Amino acid sequence: DAGVIQSPRHEVTEMGQEVTLRCKPISGHDYLFWYRQTMMRGLELLIYFNNNVPIDDSGMPEDRFSAKMPNASFSTLKIQPSEPRDSAVYFCASSSSGELFFGEGSRLTVL
Amino acid sequence: GDSVTQMEGPVTLSEEAFLTINCTYTATGYPSLFWYVQYPGEGLQLLLKATKADDKGSNKGFEATYRKETTSFHLEKGSVQVSDSAVYFCALSDHPGSARQLTFGSGTQLTVLP
Repeated sequence: DAGVIQSPRHEVTEMGQEVTLRCKPISGHDYLFWYRQTMMRGLELLIYFNNNVPIDDSGMPEDRFSAKMPNASFSTLKIQPSEPRDSAVYFCASSSSGELFFGEGSRLTVL
Repeated sequence: GDSVTQMEGPVTLSEEAFLTINCTYTATGYPSLFWYVQYPGEGLQLLLKATKADDKGSNKGFEATYRKETTSFHLEKGSVQVSDSAVYFCALSDHPGSARQLTFGSGTQLTVLP
């Protein structure tokens, strides 16, 4: 299996622009997680899905952030409008019932 | 709520030195405990885990024992290698045996010098 695949690996954008991050989980995994990693706040869970349904989005910082999972093999995290404080590495992870498998992350820089 | 506290880094050691990275936790009930490792430019990978008190997780020469009485899960390795240089994260899940809703510590940067 190719593992969890995220795109883009790097994104540089200007404040106010829309950003879409994409994730393909490992086939057969029924849980999908979005995390954000920054130096100041470490790893934060933003939202997670079970069988494509959002279960807990209490970590989503504000309404500018939204996440969808239209099918079992694809999820997006969207930021609109983006702000400099959104600069971070965003990780997607998937799981069946035990170990969490992480993607390589999407490094976002908002100027 | 649940929380994980790790010793602050960075930690710099010479090759073959003994490693300890301290981790303590606060949780209701009986959480599962994990150590994840992040190599430069990569995502996190599970290093080891323990799901109940007194369990010892081990992998690649690393060990950690789930100590309920001291609410700790310290990571140890007897002889580190340059290739062990990475960031190490302690984490807990209050879903027994599951990795759902992991709470992570702040991470400890380890650098091993030849």
